[in-house]
Amino acid sequence: GDSVTQMEGPVTLSEEAFLTINCTYTATGYPSLFWYVQYPGEGLQLLLKATKADDKGSNKGFEATYRKETTSFHLEKGSVQVSDSAVYFCALGGSGNTGKLIFGQGTTLQVKP
Amino acid sequence: DTAVSQTPKYLVTQMGNDKSIKCEQNLGHDTMYWYKQDSKKFLKIMFSYNNKELIINETVPNRFSPKSPDKAHLNLHINSLELGDSAVYFCASSQGRRNYGYTFGSGTRLTVV
Repeated sequence: GDSVTQMEGPVTLSEEAFLTINCTYTATGYPSLFWYVQYPGEGLQLLLKATKADDKGSNKGFEATYRKETTSFHLEKGSVQVSDSAVYFCALGGSGNTGKLIFGQGTTLQVKP
Repeated sequence: DTAVSQTPKYLVTQMGNDKSIKCEQNLGHDTMYWYKQDSKKFLKIMFSYNNKELIINETVPNRFSPKSPDKAHLNLHINSLELGDSAVYFCASSQGRRNYGYTFGSGTRLTVV
């Protein structure tokens, strides 16, 4: 079945460091791909998305490119801030037009001043 | 105005009790979901409704019963609560089922003692 695998966390970085959070997926067809962010005590917020191969999603300095050949959707940011500390979830749209999203296990990012 | 609101935010109850969690969205979306987030932050879909019709019913114990009186509301009733039901429950909504991304509520933290 469809699945998403993210790199294990926690990831700890200093402010202004470069961030990469790896995400790979297994799916039939060509699903839409998403990154969500969850700040402490809050629900998930959509960070960015890509709906077809080679699309690049971007928002708030974060970017991810839909790579069909490597079945990946890695999240990157050039310079992280303390306020980026959160849990990041990679997700794919499940097959069957149900609207179901399948999430990775989440990666905790901690940015230190 | 809150787009997807859940009540209550916290719920502490004893084993064997019956409880309900309510969810309302004011986005005009036609599809709503319940997800369960466990202590390791893993998110798993439980139910989905589209225009009051049940679309997804994952392998959830039948002690859990969703109810959608209209497309803006999706409630979750849980009978005979067990310790393993302790988790954070998230409601979400989307427009259609083509995976354009969800809007999440802020979650209900259920603790069964």
